[in-house]
Amino acid sequence: DGGITQSPKYLFRKEGQNVTLSCEQNLNHDAMYWYRQDPGQGLRLIYYSQIVNDFQKGDIAEGYSVSREKKESFPLTVTSAQKNPTAFYLCASSTRGGTNEQFFGPGTRLTVL
Amino acid sequence: AQSVTQPDIHITVSEGASLELRCNYSYGATPYLFWYVQSPGQGLQLLLKYFSGDTLVQGIKGFEAEFKRSQSSFNLRKPSVHWSDAAEYFCAASNSGGSNYKLTFGKGTLLTVNP
Repeated sequence: DGGITQSPKYLFRKEGQNVTLSCEQNLNHDAMYWYRQDPGQGLRLIYYSQIVNDFQKGDIAEGYSVSREKKESFPLTVTSAQKNPTAFYLCASSTRGGTNEQFFGPGTRLTVL
Repeated sequence: AQSVTQPDIHITVSEGASLELRCNYSYGATPYLFWYVQSPGQGLQLLLKYFSGDTLVQGIKGFEAEFKRSQSSFNLRKPSVHWSDAAEYFCAASNSGGSNYKLTFGKGTLLTVNP
């Protein structure tokens, strides 16, 4: 089955530590996205990538970093510079251009203690 | 600035009752429009989408939505709600031309279904 996988489902880290969230897709999509979701805030775009080895900042990129070395993978690193990292993180993918219909992974809940 | 507004934060309906969730958008040109549903702790699932043509679109799980250009609205409806419809619903929009990488989301409407 084609889809998007995110791992782990739950992640706990101590304050000051960097942490990397995994996102893999087998939909053969060129574009991939990372969103942050907080209660009552909807989804906010962190980073997006429309092609391998290229990515752009979204609305709330500060304290986050990404890489796009393979078409299938778009890992997100939450750095110690992110002031309030506890949130639900969602990865999505879409074909490049077109109607931008995005398909979402199941999410990772990050809790920083 | 482009925006999507969902005026209702929380709606409660009885099982079997009809449902309408409101969505308004502010874009320079008619955008592509989407409704997604999210169960607690899960990812988002696409319910339906509007790109052009017929203004009444059918989606999965018995949902439909009507695009009204004059009102800049894209309201989601279901004639008879089931207990399994309890979830959070998000309206989203994307530019219909040029660089349309970005989906702008509303803040969501939480649906509670009473037995």
